[in-house]
Amino acid sequence: GQSLEQPSEVTAVEGAIVQINCTYQTSGFYGLSWYQQHDGGAPTFLSYNALDGLEETGRFSSFLSRSDSYGYLLLQELQMKDSASYFCAVRDPTGRSARQLTFGSGTQLTVLP
Amino acid sequence: NAGVTQTPKFQVLKTGQSMTLQCAQDMNHNSMYWYRQDPGMGLRLIYYSASEGTTDKGEVPNGYNVSRLNKREFSLRLESAAPSQTSVYFCASSTRRQETQYFGPGTRLLVL
Repeated sequence: GQSLEQPSEVTAVEGAIVQINCTYQTSGFYGLSWYQQHDGGAPTFLSYNALDGLEETGRFSSFLSRSDSYGYLLLQELQMKDSASYFCAVRDPTGRSARQLTFGSGTQLTVLP
Repeated sequence: NAGVTQTPKFQVLKTGQSMTLQCAQDMNHNSMYWYRQDPGMGLRLIYYSASEGTTDKGEVPNGYNVSRLNKREFSLRLESAAPSQTSVYFCASSTRRQETQYFGPGTRLLVL
């Protein structure tokens, strides 16, 4: 099976930079995805890393180290609207769960003024 | 384009009642999914459909059935609702790359 660990809560101030970590344990590995979910809303896709390194999309960046089974989401120039839950997710190509995306429990980010 | 739509938005059921949650997507995606999300938890896969005419069990399929009616529509049925099925249900769809999924607005279900 798969397991993912991410912090349950992170707090930062507006304008700051915050990093949300995710470690995973899987038999096999395709890549690491990140999703954002505002309270009461639908999850929305943010980024996907299949290879080691940093992927940048505007204020958001995502990093992956396959050798360390570790990744993070980096949010820069934080805004109040970034307050949300952030989920990492993996897909394990081995076994019957090859088509399934497994999500972490989520990190609640609170941005303070 | 509406993306992924779900009906109803809210539903209250009594234990033992049945209901069907509807989902439709207009993005011509092959794959569709049903998840449940409980407070403070991530999304858990109930069932998915890789293409029209196929369905497979996910992590938590017990108590649910699904129908992939056509490429656009994927429904989730609770035959005999239980309080443990109180949750928020999300439908999603994706292209071949399953890591990029598009979610509907969710159905909030309360079973008394």
